[in-house]
Amino acid sequence: SQQGEEDPQALSIQEGENATMNCSYKTSINNLQWYRQNSGRGLVHLILIRSNEREKHSGRLRVTLDTSKKSSSLLITASQAADTASYFCATAPDTGRRALTFGSGTRLQVQP
Amino acid sequence: GAGVSQSPRYKVAKRGQDVALRCDPISGHVSLFWYQQALGQGPEFLTYFQNEAQLDKSGLPSDRFFAERPEGSVSTLKIQRTQQEDSAVYLCASSLGSINSNQPQHFGDGTRLSIL
Repeated sequence: SQQGEEDPQALSIQEGENATMNCSYKTSINNLQWYRQNSGRGLVHLILIRSNEREKHSGRLRVTLDTSKKSSSLLITASQAADTASYFCATAPDTGRRALTFGSGTRLQVQP
Repeated sequence: GAGVSQSPRYKVAKRGQDVALRCDPISGHVSLFWYQQALGQGPEFLTYFQNEAQLDKSGLPSDRFFAERPEGSVSTLKIQRTQQEDSAVYLCASSLGSINSNQPQHFGDGTRLSIL
């Protein structure tokens, strides 16, 4: 079963626009990670945010985490056609089995 | 190699046949993970190795699924008596530290398994 729920399931924007994806989860976490997957390829790690962090930046990516609402958001600024991919959040719990639990993903289409 | 390598990339088998999927992790990576990804879904955890020890196999869907990593590097996922519901992409990932070290996982491109 998948813990995370991404919202929206699909997103289509024009090149240069910003894209925001949201992730909600159910259990207490140690950290939350975002991954990108191009069609037919494996996942690529984008960013990791720990439970005691609220915001993190990496290039054109900005991730926020609200542990009180059990939610996270990924913002991609000034999108490019090459950003077209599926984006997944994954949570690492703070107790018990420590394996990552992935959400169902947001499919982002950036129109050139 | 520079990344995680999986073979074969595509596998077609008849229902009832046994299959073996191979994963070559990044050299020196302690942790190795197997995931199953259905079409349009996120990866689902199958099993985890720390070096040669299989520390968590709670995600394996049935006793037809078996994984090993005998020398702490290459891993094989075996599925016996395949069924149509086994059709999926099987992803392997490795990371430098143990599962609790909060390090990113590096994924291979997966094996797409189709059971006819």
